[in-house]
Amino acid sequence: KQEVTQIPAALSVPEGENLVLNCSFTDSAIYNLQWFRQDPGKGLTSLLLIQSSQREQTSGRLNASLDKSSGRSTLYIAASQPGDSATYLCALETSGSRLTFGEGTQLTVNP
Amino acid sequence: NAGVTQTPKFRILKIGQSMTLQCTQDMNHNYMYWYRQDPGMGLKLIYYSVGAGITDKGEVPNGYNVSRSTTEDFPLRLELAAPSQTSVYFCASSQTDYGYTFGSGTRLTVV
Repeated sequence: KQEVTQIPAALSVPEGENLVLNCSFTDSAIYNLQWFRQDPGKGLTSLLLIQSSQREQTSGRLNASLDKSSGRSTLYIAASQPGDSATYLCALETSGSRLTFGEGTQLTVNP
Repeated sequence: NAGVTQTPKFRILKIGQSMTLQCTQDMNHNYMYWYRQDPGMGLKLIYYSVGAGITDKGEVPNGYNVSRSTTEDFPLRLELAAPSQTSVYFCASSQTDYGYTFGSGTRLTVV
């Protein structure tokens, strides 16, 4: 059974700092990996999708990488802003087009 | 584009009552899913569908039923509501290699 772990569970940083969120998984036989953002009381917003043949994706200040052999993905956020405060979820697509989620990293960016 | 639309957004049920959570997507995605999210926890898969007329159980299917008569609609039925079903429910859809799109959620309280 695929298990997904996100470290740290919570992170508080000052505005402007660059930061890295980590996601590790136990089964490297994955198809795609997707990072989501969830604001309190809201739904999930897709940030980046890394397809199985890719190693990284970039969107604005966000960069996500995937290393299937080591079972790791990282989400890099450059020049963090208070508006980046949210919970970030890592999700892996395995066989049968099913997503397995980590429990998330709660990020607070302080002005 | 509407994406994935869930109704209602909020609902309070009494123990033993039944209800249907509605989910509609307008992206012509084959795959649709129902997840639940408990406070401080990751998302757990309840049921999923790979196309009209085909459904299958996820991790936590007990107490729920689904149907998929059309590509667009994937309703989730609670027959005898229990306090353990108090949660936030998310519907999602996907197409191969295009990632997942989530609805905004239904917050359900069973009292």
